[in-house]
Amino acid sequence: DAMVIQNPRYQVTQFGKPVTLSCSQTLNHNVMYWYQQKSSQAPKLLFHYYDKDFNNEADTPDNFQSRRPNTSFCFLDIRSPGLGDAAMYLCATSRDIAGGNNEQFFGPGTRLTVL
Amino acid sequence: KNQVEQSPQSLIILEGKNCTLQCNYTVSPFSNLRWYKQDTGRGPVSLTIMTFSENTKSNGRYTATLDADTKQSSLHITASQLSDSASYICVVSVGSNYKLTFGKGTLLTVNP
Repeated sequence: DAMVIQNPRYQVTQFGKPVTLSCSQTLNHNVMYWYQQKSSQAPKLLFHYYDKDFNNEADTPDNFQSRRPNTSFCFLDIRSPGLGDAAMYLCATSRDIAGGNNEQFFGPGTRLTVL
Repeated sequence: KNQVEQSPQSLIILEGKNCTLQCNYTVSPFSNLRWYKQDTGRGPVSLTIMTFSENTKSNGRYTATLDADTKQSSLHITASQLSDSASYICVVSVGSNYKLTFGKGTLLTVNP
């Protein structure tokens, strides 16, 4: 089945220790997104890639970076995690940015714990 | 400011009962509205997607309605099951933009 896969499902890191979260997709979609979702809150868009073009949201901290080495994979790097970065991180994909092909399909998420 | 408001914030029902969740939005220009189901600790899964011209859309025991004039949507769940326990999130797409405006969700608990 075509899908969005996130690894690991649960990640524990130490305060200040860099961590990388992984997302892959078999949908062959052009766009990949990273969201941060804290408990009982709506997902917050961090950034997205349209193909190889990176688009950062204005209020995304510099601590968060992303890489997309190919169509299928996208990584979220947190350079120096703080306690406030503990959250669920959701990856999503869409065929296109605009119009009828912008429906987003979400992965199962990675729950990040910062000790 | 684009906003999506959902009610109730939480709801507890008995297995087999029906329920209706509400969503009001102030988003312009409106593109489409989606209802997602999010199980605890999982990513959102799309239930329905509705454009401006659609009034009703069903997906099994889930039926969504949309009134574009009053900017309201509802999600009706029929004959609830224990597995329906989840957060239901109303999400509105703005124009032809990629950006989504999320509601905070309704946490539904179905008890035996």
